[in-house]
Amino acid sequence: GAVVSQHPSRVICKSGTSVKIECRSLDFQATTMFWYRQFPKQSLMLMATSNEGSKATYEQGVEKDKFLINHASLTLSTLTVTSAHPEDSSFYICSARDREGGHYNEQFFGPGTRLTVL
Amino acid sequence: QKEVEQNSGPLSVPEGAIASLNCTYSDRGSQSFFWYRQYSGKSPELIMFIYSNGDKEDGRFTAQLNKASQYVSLLIRDSQPSDSATYLCAAGRGGGNKLTFGTGTQLKVEL
Repeated sequence: GAVVSQHPSRVICKSGTSVKIECRSLDFQATTMFWYRQFPKQSLMLMATSNEGSKATYEQGVEKDKFLINHASLTLSTLTVTSAHPEDSSFYICSARDREGGHYNEQFFGPGTRLTVL
Repeated sequence: QKEVEQNSGPLSVPEGAIASLNCTYSDRGSQSFFWYRQYSGKSPELIMFIYSNGDKEDGRFTAQLNKASQYVSLLIRDSQPSDSATYLCAAGRGGGNKLTFGTGTQLKVEL
């Protein structure tokens, strides 16, 4: 149980294009999903918290107009990197919290999406 | 001061030994604590979580929590080369709130 998928696993795009990444909880409902970014040899950096049916909450320093998040259902959240530039190249990872997970809010991670902007 | 601190390592242990990974946190409102394992190029994988003072065992892994000292640890018994990875400690306040992650400790289990 508690499987989270991401698509695509790897994407290479030209500078200026937009890239959409999907995060799905496969066997549970997730009212809350989280989007992280990780640069090589660095730790996870939380970008935003995505709540089903409401606007995402962005961390300080993360541009909400550049990183568009939509959480339209209890099993799907999407992150769109708009007008991507080489400095946006990173490993993007989503996680989801089981709606029935109770008080301890453990998060289950997707496999990640490696974005390379040329 | 970082909210969750870990020694970056690398921590090297011989195969079969006990690996001890440590983590401290600054937010006394933290109620739940998590250990994740991350292999290079992969996403984190939940190993275990703990929320009560004391020890919690799961197979070769034991998590220890001391809220008075704001200290969490993970012991890995009979370490195997496949345990070589970065171990992330995370703390949460509960109620679906976000987790705060440490920077991770790199563990190397040597043959």
